[in-house]
Amino acid sequence: SSELTQDPAVSVALGQTVRITCQGDSLRSYYASWYQQKPGQAPVLVIYGKNNRPSGIPDRFSGSSSGNTASLTITGAQAEDEADYYCNSRDSSGNHNWVFGGGTKLTVL
Amino acid sequence: EVQLVESGGGLVQPGRSLRLSCAASGFTFDDYAMHWVRQAPGKGLEWVSGISWNSGSIGYADSVKGRFTISRDNAKNSLYLQMNSLRAEDTALYYCAKEVVTTRYYYYYMDVWGKGTTVTVSS
Repeated sequence: SSELTQDPAVSVALGQTVRITCQGDSLRSYYASWYQQKPGQAPVLVIYGKNNRPSGIPDRFSGSSSGNTASLTITGAQAEDEADYYCNSRDSSGNHNWVFGGGTKLTVL
Repeated sequence: EVQLVESGGGLVQPGRSLRLSCAASGFTFDDYAMHWVRQAPGKGLEWVSGISWNSGSIGYADSVKGRFTISRDNAKNSLYLQMNSLRAEDTALYYCAKEVVTTRYYYYYMDVWGKGTTVTVSS
């Protein structure tokens, strides 16, 4: 099965821009989707597809992809963006398999 | 309102079984594939199992293959996870999630999640 690799932790100064990356072979076949998870809460979808935001997600969140790497960018990070962020995608190995990245803990300084 | 509500978690001894349920409402359940995703205490999200709308395509993580069985009952708008031969490492919060596939660009993502049900495997 495939794997998705994320940096364990990233920090950003309040109001600055931060990029969180996700690498894996499955991303050559499928777009990543990104989820935000705050302590004690279920994950929330923030980006899907090429660069799509569900209703209610601020436009400071954006996504991009190139080759085997997907990125989530937060432009003008806010204190409320401090959370864990996970990427996932379908697994290119077949069946109905999916894979998650290990998650990135974002700290807003 | 689109909603997923998990149930069936609890404390179970190693080697025993447990069956989780996920009740769906607010959308046409049999139009969508569904998934179980778990999160061990202090750890990241781990995909466990997924099932297509008609149960024709099913997948399992290597860590649960041969022990867990996913199923669904579209008439009851429900998703299930039968967990056998449970191990301490299966201790986690188990979420069910709804999969979306866009027909135009084939974007795949999980757009709705339940709040989860906790499974603790311990003697």
